[in-house]
Amino acid sequence: QQQVKQSPQSLIVQKGGISIINCAYENTAFDYFPWYQQFPGKGPALLIAIRPDVSEKKEGRFTISFNKSAKQFSLHIMDSQPGDSATYFCAASITGSGYALNFGKGTSLLVTP
Amino acid sequence: NAGVMQNPRHLVRRRGQEARLRCSPMKGHSHVYWYRQLPEEGLKFMVYLQKENIIDESGMPKERFSAEFPKEGPSILRIQQVVRGDSAAYFCASSPGPPPTYEQYFGPGTRLTVT
Repeated sequence: QQQVKQSPQSLIVQKGGISIINCAYENTAFDYFPWYQQFPGKGPALLIAIRPDVSEKKEGRFTISFNKSAKQFSLHIMDSQPGDSATYFCAASITGSGYALNFGKGTSLLVTP
Repeated sequence: NAGVMQNPRHLVRRRGQEARLRCSPMKGHSHVYWYRQLPEEGLKFMVYLQKENIIDESGMPKERFSAEFPKEGPSILRIQQVVRGDSAAYFCASSPGPPPTYEQYFGPGTRLTVT
Protein backbone atom coordinates (compact mmCIF):
# COMPACT_ATOMS: atom_id res chain seq x y z
CA GLN A 1 0.00 0.00 0.00
CA GLN A 2 1.08 3.60 -0.51
CA GLN A 3 2.84 4.58 2.70
CA VAL A 4 3.14 8.23 1.72
CA LYS A 5 0.18 10.01 0.13
CA GLN A 6 0.97 13.10 -1.95
CA SER A 7 -1.30 15.82 -3.31
CA PRO A 8 -2.09 17.43 -5.62
CA GLN A 9 -1.24 15.24 -8.58
CA SER A 10 -0.63 18.33 -10.71
CA LEU A 11 -0.28 22.01 -10.03
CA ILE A 12 -0.17 25.14 -12.18
CA VAL A 13 1.22 28.30 -10.65
CA GLN A 14 1.97 31.68 -12.13
CA LYS A 15 5.50 33.00 -12.07
CA GLY A 16 6.15 34.66 -8.74
CA GLY A 17 3.46 32.69 -6.94
CA ILE A 18 3.77 30.15 -4.15
CA SER A 19 3.65 26.44 -4.97
CA ILE A 20 2.46 24.18 -2.17
CA ILE A 21 2.65 20.37 -2.25
CA ASN A 22 1.39 18.24 0.62
CA CYS A 23 2.24 14.78 1.88
CA ALA A 24 0.75 12.62 4.62
CA TYR A 25 2.00 9.42 6.21
CA GLU A 26 0.74 6.81 8.64
CA ASN A 27 3.87 5.12 9.96
CA THR A 28 4.98 7.09 13.03
CA ALA A 29 8.37 5.39 12.88
CA PHE A 30 9.34 7.48 9.85
CA ASP A 31 12.02 9.94 10.90
CA TYR A 32 13.47 11.29 7.67
CA PHE A 33 11.45 13.22 5.11
CA PRO A 34 13.18 14.31 1.90
CA TRP A 35 11.79 16.02 -1.17
CA TYR A 36 13.10 15.19 -4.63
CA GLN A 37 12.89 17.15 -7.86
CA GLN A 38 12.82 15.32 -11.17
CA PHE A 39 13.09 16.85 -14.63
CA PRO A 40 11.92 14.89 -17.70
CA GLY A 41 14.41 12.23 -18.69
CA LYS A 42 16.47 12.66 -15.54
CA GLY A 43 16.76 10.91 -12.23
CA PRO A 44 15.37 12.48 -9.05
CA ALA A 45 17.64 14.89 -7.21
CA LEU A 46 17.45 15.67 -3.51
CA LEU A 47 16.03 19.15 -2.96
CA ILE A 48 15.62 19.49 0.79
CA ALA A 49 15.02 17.15 3.72
CA ILE A 50 13.76 17.41 7.30
CA ARG A 51 13.73 15.34 10.48
CA PRO A 52 10.82 15.46 12.96
CA ASP A 53 12.76 17.36 15.63
CA VAL A 54 12.12 20.61 13.76
CA SER A 55 8.87 22.02 12.39
CA GLU A 56 10.32 23.96 9.50
CA LYS A 57 13.42 24.03 7.33
CA LYS A 58 14.22 26.65 4.73
CA GLU A 59 16.78 26.59 1.94
CA GLY A 60 16.57 29.51 -0.41
CA ARG A 61 13.09 29.62 -1.95
CA PHE A 62 12.25 26.10 -0.73
CA THR A 63 10.69 25.45 2.69
CA ILE A 64 9.54 22.23 4.31
CA SER A 65 6.85 22.51 6.96
CA PHE A 66 6.41 19.51 9.23
CA ASN A 67 3.43 18.75 11.48
CA LYS A 68 4.26 15.71 13.58
CA SER A 69 0.88 15.44 15.32
CA ALA A 70 -0.99 15.55 12.02
CA LYS A 71 1.59 13.31 10.33
CA GLN A 72 1.86 15.73 7.44
CA PHE A 73 4.63 17.63 5.75
CA SER A 74 4.61 20.05 2.88
CA LEU A 75 6.91 21.75 0.41
CA HIS A 76 6.52 25.45 -0.26
CA ILE A 77 8.24 27.03 -3.25
CA MET A 78 8.29 30.79 -2.90
CA ASP A 79 8.55 33.11 -5.90
CA SER A 80 8.03 30.15 -8.25
CA GLN A 81 9.92 30.34 -11.54
CA PRO A 82 9.39 28.58 -14.89
CA GLY A 83 12.64 26.71 -14.23
CA ASP A 84 10.96 25.10 -11.21
CA SER A 85 8.60 23.24 -13.57
CA ALA A 86 9.29 19.60 -12.76
CA THR A 87 7.86 16.63 -10.90
CA TYR A 88 8.29 16.73 -7.14
CA PHE A 89 8.30 13.65 -4.94
CA CYS A 90 8.06 13.50 -1.18
CA ALA A 91 9.50 10.48 0.58
CA ALA A 92 9.92 9.04 4.04
CA SER A 93 12.20 6.52 5.65
CA ILE A 94 13.24 5.10 9.00
CA THR A 95 16.77 5.48 10.32
CA GLY A 96 18.46 2.22 11.23
CA SER A 97 15.62 -0.04 10.24
CA GLY A 98 15.02 -0.81 6.62
CA TYR A 99 16.64 1.06 3.87
CA ALA A 100 13.88 1.99 1.52
CA LEU A 101 12.84 5.50 0.65
CA ASN A 102 9.04 5.35 0.49
CA PHE A 103 7.99 7.77 -2.23
CA GLY A 104 4.73 9.59 -2.85
CA LYS A 105 3.27 9.38 -6.35
CA GLY A 106 4.59 12.78 -7.36
CA THR A 107 3.26 16.22 -8.23
CA SER A 108 3.75 17.66 -11.68
CA LEU A 109 4.37 21.40 -11.27
CA LEU A 110 4.03 23.85 -14.13
CA VAL A 111 5.01 27.44 -13.55
CA THR A 112 3.64 29.70 -16.25
CA PRO A 113 5.45 32.87 -17.35
CA ASN B 1 33.39 13.49 -10.22
CA ALA B 2 31.03 11.77 -12.63
CA GLY B 3 27.55 11.07 -11.37
CA VAL B 4 25.78 7.75 -11.22
CA MET B 5 25.85 6.18 -14.66
CA GLN B 6 23.26 3.82 -16.01
CA ASN B 7 23.19 1.98 -19.30
CA PRO B 8 21.55 1.46 -21.52
CA ARG B 9 19.31 4.52 -21.25
CA HIS B 10 16.63 2.86 -23.32
CA LEU B 11 16.10 -0.87 -23.72
CA VAL B 12 13.50 -2.66 -25.81
CA ARG B 13 12.88 -6.33 -25.24
CA ARG B 14 10.33 -8.77 -26.55
CA ARG B 15 8.27 -10.80 -24.10
CA GLY B 16 10.27 -13.74 -22.82
CA GLN B 17 13.70 -12.17 -23.37
CA GLU B 18 16.13 -11.16 -20.66
CA ALA B 19 16.90 -7.57 -19.69
CA ARG B 20 20.19 -6.58 -18.07
CA LEU B 21 20.46 -3.11 -16.60
CA ARG B 22 23.80 -1.72 -15.46
CA CYS B 23 24.62 0.86 -12.84
CA SER B 24 28.01 2.37 -12.10
CA PRO B 25 27.91 4.22 -8.77
CA MET B 26 29.66 7.46 -8.08
CA LYS B 27 33.35 7.17 -7.26
CA GLY B 28 33.82 6.23 -3.63
CA HIS B 29 30.24 4.99 -3.23
CA SER B 30 29.84 1.39 -2.13
CA HIS B 31 26.08 1.39 -1.51
CA VAL B 32 23.69 0.90 -4.42
CA TYR B 33 19.90 0.95 -4.58
CA TRP B 34 17.51 0.05 -7.37
CA TYR B 35 14.06 1.62 -7.75
CA ARG B 36 11.32 1.10 -10.31
CA GLN B 37 9.03 3.85 -11.54
CA LEU B 38 5.82 2.90 -13.28
CA PRO B 39 3.94 5.52 -15.33
CA GLU B 40 2.12 8.03 -13.10
CA GLU B 41 3.64 6.39 -10.02
CA GLY B 42 6.33 7.26 -7.57
CA LEU B 43 9.51 5.29 -7.29
CA LYS B 44 9.27 1.91 -5.60
CA PHE B 45 12.25 0.49 -3.76
CA MET B 46 13.47 -2.82 -5.09
CA VAL B 47 16.84 -3.75 -3.59
CA TYR B 48 19.78 -2.34 -1.61
CA LEU B 49 23.27 -3.76 -2.14
CA GLN B 50 26.76 -3.22 -0.87
CA LYS B 51 29.79 -4.65 -2.60
CA GLU B 52 29.17 -8.40 -3.02
CA ASN B 53 26.22 -8.38 -0.59
CA ILE B 54 22.47 -7.97 -0.87
CA ILE B 55 21.39 -6.04 2.21
CA ASP B 56 17.67 -5.65 1.61
CA GLU B 57 15.69 -7.14 -1.27
CA SER B 58 12.26 -6.71 0.27
CA GLY B 59 10.99 -4.81 -2.78
CA MET B 60 12.14 -7.30 -5.38
CA PRO B 61 9.56 -9.52 -7.07
CA LYS B 62 10.18 -13.09 -5.94
CA GLU B 63 10.58 -14.48 -9.43
CA ARG B 64 12.49 -13.43 -12.53
CA PHE B 65 14.31 -10.51 -10.88
CA SER B 66 17.82 -10.62 -9.47
CA ALA B 67 20.51 -8.10 -8.61
CA GLU B 68 24.21 -8.19 -7.94
CA PHE B 69 27.00 -5.78 -7.11
CA PRO B 70 30.29 -7.57 -7.66
CA LYS B 71 33.62 -6.61 -6.19
CA GLU B 72 34.64 -5.23 -9.55
CA GLY B 73 32.36 -3.69 -12.10
CA PRO B 74 28.87 -2.24 -12.13
CA SER B 75 25.77 -3.37 -10.32
CA ILE B 76 23.47 -5.41 -12.53
CA LEU B 77 19.70 -5.73 -12.32
CA ARG B 78 18.57 -8.73 -14.31
CA ILE B 79 15.03 -9.45 -15.36
CA GLN B 80 14.44 -12.85 -16.90
CA GLN B 81 11.55 -13.71 -19.21
CA VAL B 82 10.27 -10.14 -19.31
CA VAL B 83 6.55 -9.43 -19.49
CA ARG B 84 4.67 -6.29 -20.56
CA GLY B 85 4.17 -5.31 -16.91
CA ASP B 86 7.94 -4.97 -16.51
CA SER B 87 7.88 -1.89 -18.76
CA ALA B 88 9.01 0.95 -16.53
CA ALA B 89 11.87 3.28 -15.74
CA TYR B 90 14.49 1.67 -13.52
CA PHE B 91 16.61 4.00 -11.45
CA CYS B 92 19.80 3.25 -9.64
CA ALA B 93 21.08 5.36 -6.77
CA SER B 94 24.32 5.26 -4.82
CA SER B 95 25.63 6.63 -1.55
CA PRO B 96 28.97 6.62 0.30
CA GLY B 97 27.39 5.18 3.44
CA PRO B 98 24.14 3.70 4.78
CA PRO B 99 20.82 5.49 4.52
CA PRO B 100 19.38 7.81 5.43
CA THR B 101 22.44 9.50 6.93
CA TYR B 102 24.00 9.66 3.51
CA GLU B 103 22.14 11.13 0.56
CA GLN B 104 21.24 8.81 -2.29
CA TYR B 105 22.33 10.15 -5.68
CA PHE B 106 20.21 8.95 -8.56
CA GLY B 107 21.26 8.03 -12.06
CA PRO B 108 19.31 9.06 -15.17
CA GLY B 109 17.46 5.75 -15.34
CA THR B 110 16.95 2.98 -17.87
CA ARG B 111 13.63 3.00 -19.64
CA LEU B 112 12.61 -0.58 -20.39
CA THR B 113 9.94 -1.25 -22.96
CA VAL B 114 8.62 -4.76 -23.39
CA THR B 115 6.86 -5.40 -26.67
